[in-house]
Amino acid sequence: GAVVSQHPSRVICKSGTSVKIECRSLDFQATTMFWYRQFPKQSLMLMATSNEGSKATYEQGVEKDKFLINHASLTLSTLTVTSAHPEDSSFYICSARQRLSTDTQYFGPGTRLTVL
Amino acid sequence: AQTVTQSQPEMSVQEAETVTLSCTYDTSESDYYLFWYKQPPSRQMILVIRQEAYKQQNATENRFSVNFQKAAKSFSLKISDSQLGDAAMYFCAYRSRFQGAQKLVFGQGTRLTINP
Repeated sequence: GAVVSQHPSRVICKSGTSVKIECRSLDFQATTMFWYRQFPKQSLMLMATSNEGSKATYEQGVEKDKFLINHASLTLSTLTVTSAHPEDSSFYICSARQRLSTDTQYFGPGTRLTVL
Repeated sequence: AQTVTQSQPEMSVQEAETVTLSCTYDTSESDYYLFWYKQPPSRQMILVIRQEAYKQQNATENRFSVNFQKAAKSFSLKISDSQLGDAAMYFCAYRSRFQGAQKLVFGQGTRLTINP
């Protein structure tokens, strides 16, 4: 149980285009989902916290107009990187917190974004 | 704000031996969770072990155990009988138990190599 999927696993896009990444909790309801960014050989950096049905809370320094987050249902959150540039190339990871659980986040397998 | 520090960027151990990964944290809170996550080459984050601060007993999960020293704000991970599959990045993480607190604070990570 407690499986989180991400799609796509890898995406390559041209500079200036937008890319959408999906995060799904497959076998549980997630009231809260989190989006992280991870640079090579570094730790996870929290970008935003997404609660179902409400606006995401962004961490300091993260552009909310650049990284659009939607959490429309208890099993799906999306991250859209708008007008992507090469510096947005990174590994993006989502996690979900189970509705009836208070302490454990389950992570998706990540999405590698490459912007040319 | 809480911080988590992993002072060992890299560690190596001989297969079947025991290794201890260090983690210290800084907080003014009295109630919180501590976690160890493993990130193998696949990049999938996997929960290894969890400790609740109000519990004095150290958490154990098969070959994995922690040494939780609340006064010293130390939370080390011991891996016994190391196996090749244990090779990964290991991240220590903190989460407050205050109502509404949701995000994990990660350490910088320790890369563990298992020598056959």
